[in-house]
Amino acid sequence: GESVGLHLPTLSVQEGDNSIINCAYSNSASDYFIWYKQESGKGPQFIIDIRSNMDKRQGQRVTVLLNKTVKHLSLQIAATQPGDSAVYFCAENTSGTYKYIFGTGTRLKVLA
Amino acid sequence: SQTIHQWPATLVQPVGSPLSLECTVEGTSNPNLYWYRQAAGRGLQLLFYSVGIGQISSEVPQNLSASRPQDRQFILSSKKLLLSDSGFYLCAWSAPGQPLTEAFFGQGTRLTVV
Repeated sequence: GESVGLHLPTLSVQEGDNSIINCAYSNSASDYFIWYKQESGKGPQFIIDIRSNMDKRQGQRVTVLLNKTVKHLSLQIAATQPGDSAVYFCAENTSGTYKYIFGTGTRLKVLA
Repeated sequence: SQTIHQWPATLVQPVGSPLSLECTVEGTSNPNLYWYRQAAGRGLQLLFYSVGIGQISSEVPQNLSASRPQDRQFILSSKKLLLSDSGFYLCAWSAPGQPLTEAFFGQGTRLTVV
């Protein structure tokens, strides 16, 4: 079924440390995955995506890892900054469908 | 470049009143369009999506409806709002065709039904 949301878990990290945010996706047929960042009162912003033919993809300060065996996705943020404080969502899509199904979200708090 | 506009930003409506939220996209043709709802402190729930004019797929049974009267216009409506319709409504678009690429979100409408 679809993940329609639970109370958000929180990850607190010290400024300058690396952050790892995890996501367990629901559909083994999903083959496209996206990470979004949502700041309070705003719409989600695209961070990085990955297709199922890859297991790792890097962007600027961010890395996404995909483990299809256990249906797990992670977002690594290097040298976390105060501006990284937000809620992070993963989303999944299955080829041939038009739906983005979102995970439950994780709140990242960066401590000074 | 492409932009997405969603309005109003905030809305307070009495129970039983009608609703109309509008979303328009600029700079692209035949986009896929989406309406999501987000309850406070929770995830995004897909309500409707559309892959073309007049084509609406509903994901969750409810008293809301969606319409796409023009290629880049997506409207979320209700004839009679319920208290449970309160939430943060987000419109999004993605490029047409398969496979999908990332979706881009508007800034949302915070609806409070009183």
